[in-house]
Amino acid sequence: QKEVEQDPGPLSVPEGAIVSLNCTYSNSAFQYFMWYRQYSRKGPELLMYTYSSGNKEDGRFTAQVDKSSKYISLFIRDSQPSDSATYLCAMSAMGDDKIIFGKGTRLHILP
Amino acid sequence: ETGVTQTPRHLVMGMTNKKSLKCEQHLGHNAMYWYKQSAKKPLELMFVYNFKEQTENNSVPSRFSPECPNSSHLFLHLHTLQPEDSALYLCASSSGLAGDNEQFFGPGTRLTVL
Repeated sequence: QKEVEQDPGPLSVPEGAIVSLNCTYSNSAFQYFMWYRQYSRKGPELLMYTYSSGNKEDGRFTAQVDKSSKYISLFIRDSQPSDSATYLCAMSAMGDDKIIFGKGTRLHILP
Repeated sequence: ETGVTQTPRHLVMGMTNKKSLKCEQHLGHNAMYWYKQSAKKPLELMFVYNFKEQTENNSVPSRFSPECPNSSHLFLHLHTLQPEDSALYLCASSSGLAGDNEQFFGPGTRLTVL
C-alpha cells in the first residue's frame, strides 16, 4: 500500500460547481497536511496547511482532515476556470522535514 | 527577485554531457530541497540540506550530485544521465525550523536527456 493515494483524474466540472478532491494515507504518524496547486509549467504553490484533524477555511477553499479515517479533502466552492490546475495533497510527521506527496489530481473547470 | 528561482528553465542534454541546475532562494530560509517530478508519479524527494548540511539522500544515483555552498544557493550537478532521468526538477526551501513544514517551490527545470 502506497503511503499516500490520490486519484490522478482528470476531473472536469462546470464553472460554479463545488469541487471535492481527496487523498487517503496509511501512516498514522502524519500530523501536518497540505494542499498544493500546480499550474502547467510552474512549481507547486501552497494552498492550505492544517495540523492534525479538523477543518480550515480560506476564501473559497476548505480543507478537512479526518485522522480516524486517514482521509483528507479539499473543497473548492464557486469554482472558476482559473482553478484549473493539478492539486497535490502532501503530508508529514511531527519532527520530520520530509513531505510525502500524492500523485496529484488534474482539475478542469469548464466555462 | 522574490521567492525561489531556478535556472535554466529548460535543458536538453546528451547522455555524455555534464550540466548543472541552479536554485536560489530569497526568503531567508535555512533548508533547501531537490525534488524530481515525473509524469503520473508523485513528487520524489532527492536531497535535503538544512543549514548547509546534507540531511537526506533518498537513494539517488551518483550521477546526480548536489552542492549547497550557502543557505541561499543549491546546485544539482548532472553527468552521464539516462533518458529515464528526463523530468521536471524542482527546488524548494523552508525555514528549517522544527514544526514548520511549509515548503516554497521554484518553477522547476524541465530536463530532457537524449
